[in-house]
Formats: sequence, C-alpha cells, structure tokens
Amino acid sequence: AQSVTQLDSQVPVFEEAPVELRCNYSSSVSVYLFWYVQYPNQGLQLLLKYLSGSTLVESINGFEAEFNKSQTSFHLRKPSVHISDTAEYFCAVKIYGGSQGNLIFGKGTKLSVKP
Amino acid sequence: GAGVSQSPSNKVTEKGKDVELRCDPISGHTALYWYRQSLGQGLEFLIYFQGNSAPDKSGLPSDRFSAERTGGSVSTLTIQRTQQEDSAVYLCASRRTGGPSYNEQFFGPGTRLTVL
Repeated sequence: AQSVTQLDSQVPVFEEAPVELRCNYSSSVSVYLFWYVQYPNQGLQLLLKYLSGSTLVESINGFEAEFNKSQTSFHLRKPSVHISDTAEYFCAVKIYGGSQGNLIFGKGTKLSVKP
Repeated sequence: GAGVSQSPSNKVTEKGKDVELRCDPISGHTALYWYRQSLGQGLEFLIYFQGNSAPDKSGLPSDRFSAERTGGSVSTLTIQRTQQEDSAVYLCASRRTGGPSYNEQFFGPGTRLTVL
C-alpha cells in the first residue's frame, strides 16, 4: 500500500524567508507526485506535479519541488515567501498506470507567513 | 469554463438524519472522485466513478455511505443515519481521461458537514 508522510503539521516563517515543506512517500510501485495548496476557505488547487522527466518541477508562483527516488521524497521549497503564501499544502501520490487514479494524500502542512 | 461545483456549501444536521451532497463535475470530465477531509485524518479517498464502469467503492467507511452518478455527470453522495464522526468537509474532484492534463484532478470547494 502507498502512504504519504508530511512530517511538519505547521510551519511558521517570516516574510521573505526561505521555506521547505517536507514530503516522503512509501510505495512498492512507481508513482506520480503532486503538491496541492488550499488557501483559507477555498478548495484544493494543484500547485505542481512530477510525472516523468526532469526531477525538478516548478510552479508559476515560485515554488519548486524535487523528486528524489532514492530518498522517496518530494520536498516543496520556495526561496522567499510572501504573506499570500499562507495556506495549507498537501503532498499526494497516484499509482503510475493505476486504473483508479485516486490520490493518496499526506495530512497537510499549514504554512503561516508572518510580516 | 466553470469548475467543479458542490452544493450545499454548508450542511448542519442532527445525528441520525440522512444527508445528500451534490457534485457537478467539469463538463466532459469522465472521472469523478469523492474525498473526505477531516481533522486528524487528512484527506481520504471515498469513491471513484469512471464513465459507465462500476464505481470503485473501496474507500467508503461504512455501508451508511453510498454514491451515484447519473448520466455520467452529476454525482450525489448520500450518508444515512449520520453520526458525529461523519462531520468533515466532503470534496469532489473530476478529471479528464485524455489529453495533456489527464493526471490532474480538479477539486470543488467542498461541502462542510456538521453533525450535531
């Protein structure tokens, strides 16, 4: 069975500081990897995804994540955060080639950016 | 175009009552998922519909939960004899099954269910 672990339930940082949100997964088969973001009182939005190819993937708002197969990790990073990045971030996996395609989520990390 | 919509946005009910939650997926998306987001449990998969195939119900927590999808579009999640532990945000997502973004699930805003 697959599982996703987000070690940090809450991450408080100051504006313009760098941040890393950690994600580790466990799977006996190949997976696709995703980061979703949930802003306060809003639904989940896809932030970025790794399907194949380059192990470093980037979003349009400055976040990036690197797939590390040997460490089974997909940590999310941003070199300088803004107040508007305050949200809950979810890491998720999907079995490669799986017929159902349901996502398996971590429990989320609440990023709180302070001025 | 319109995204995934869900109704109601909030539902408060009494223990023991039945509730129905509705999801309107993005037009043309043949795959539809229900998830539950609750404190301490994170996001859990409930059920998956794909076209006219039999749904994957492997995530439903009990036989009080059921869902249907009529005409390959709108879906309804029904919870019978609600319990307090059913209190959660119920999220619906849809996905296309072809094209460059076929791996991406688009989520609705959710229905917040509170069972008193």
